[in-house]
Amino acid sequence: ETGVTQSPTHLIKTRGQQVTLRCSSQSGHNTVSWYQQALGQGPQFIFQYYREEENGRGNFPPRFSGLQFPNYSSELNVNALELDDSALYLCASTSSPVSTDTQYFGPGTRLTVL
Amino acid sequence: RKEVEQDPGPFNVPEGATVAFNCTYSNSASQSFFWYRQDCRKEPKLLMSVYSSGNEDGRFTAQLNRASQYISLLIRDSKLSDSATYLCVVNRRGRDDKIIFGKGTRLHILP
Repeated sequence: ETGVTQSPTHLIKTRGQQVTLRCSSQSGHNTVSWYQQALGQGPQFIFQYYREEENGRGNFPPRFSGLQFPNYSSELNVNALELDDSALYLCASTSSPVSTDTQYFGPGTRLTVL
Repeated sequence: RKEVEQDPGPFNVPEGATVAFNCTYSNSASQSFFWYRQDCRKEPKLLMSVYSSGNEDGRFTAQLNRASQYISLLIRDSKLSDSATYLCVVNRRGRDDKIIFGKGTRLHILP
C-alpha cells in the first residue's frame, strides 16, 4: 500500500452539481497531483499542489479547482458537472515537485455524472 | 499528433515469451521518463524509471532513445501476473502540462 488515501470511493452526481474529492498524501510528502482517467485512457494531469500553492496545471477549465492544506492533504473541486466529467479521479503524492520523483497513487474516486 | 503515444494493443503473448513495446514522445523538452503498471480497476503503480543509459530490474529492461524520442520496455520470461496495462509517463520542463501519460498498452499473458 502507498499510504495515499482518497475519499469517497464512488460518487454519483447529476449534471450541474458540484463535487469535492479528497486526498491524503503519504507521510513526508508535500506535493500532490490530481489526474482524471476516462475509461480506456491514460490519466490526464489536472493540476499539482506544492506547499499549499498551485504548482502547475493541465488543460482543464477553471471549474476544476483545488486546495492543499497545511498537512499536505488536498481537495479537488469540480463545479457545474458535465456528463464527460464521469471518470476515475486519481491523486498522487511525491516527496517534492522535482520531475524525477516517483509518484505514489491513491486508489481513486470513481465519479459518475448522470 | 499526441505528445505521448503508445500502441494500445492488446498484446496477447504466451507465458514464458519475451515481449517489448515502445512509447514515443514529441516534446524534446521532456526530462524524465517512467513506466507504470495499472491492473484493471486499480491505481497505477511505478514499474521503473527510465534512464539514459538504460536500466534493468529483474526480467524488465527499459531503454531511452533521446535522438529518436522513444522509450521502450522489454519483459523477458513473461508470467501470467504480468498481464496489465503498461503506461508510459513523460515529465517535461515547465510549470503547466508537465506530466503526460500515454494511453497505455494492454498486455495479456496466455497460459
